Amino acid sequence: GAGVSQSPRYKVAKRGQDVALRCDPISGHVSLFWYQQALGQGPEFLTYFQNEAQLDKSGLPSDRFFAERPEGSVSTLKIQRTQQEDSAVYLCASSLERGRGTQYFGPGTRLLVL
Amino acid sequence: GENVEQHPSTLSVQEGDSAVIKCTYSDSASNYFPWYKQELGKRPQLIIDIRSNVGEKKDQRIAVTLNKTAKHFSLHITETQPEDSAVYFCAAPNQAGTALIFGKGTTLSVSS
Repeated sequence: GAGVSQSPRYKVAKRGQDVALRCDPISGHVSLFWYQQALGQGPEFLTYFQNEAQLDKSGLPSDRFFAERPEGSVSTLKIQRTQQEDSAVYLCASSLERGRGTQYFGPGTRLLVL
Repeated sequence: GENVEQHPSTLSVQEGDSAVIKCTYSDSASNYFPWYKQELGKRPQLIIDIRSNVGEKKDQRIAVTLNKTAKHFSLHITETQPEDSAVYFCAAPNQAGTALIFGKGTTLSVSS
């Protein structure tokens, strides 16, 4: 079946612009996670949804970052007033289970802020 | 705080040799330990995982061992092939069970 998909795959933004990144999880997956992966590093947690509820947003680096999953399926990660340090790959993952289940990753969105 | 440490950061082996990557974790309540393989520009792909009720799990050339007392787990790849070359990440759940904490990765290079 279809895996996790993300769009756009690449995004170039000028500093100060707002961006929106989309994640389509595997159909029926309850849990959805966003991670940020800097070059040469492991993924770092940003936020977690269980269905439409955002249960953990402790990893969001600032109030410029906002995520939503209004119908418990597709999720959007929004970054306002982008800064150069926001340049990274943003990975989405989904899981059939709540919390500690197997996570399947999307291909990521590579964001470059100039 | 919660932490996952991974060693070595780079590993070079000859085709056919074995490779071992080790990780330690800090939260004694952790009960799920996945390993991901990430090729350049691609998504992390789950290659094997283990839950805390077993000490070892094997899938063809790949095995994972877990020592809960010492809080470490290891990935073993036997008969390495050039296509095994990639970055490997270990991970463990955070205390809340809402995320995976990843190690910094091991770049494995298999030369033929």
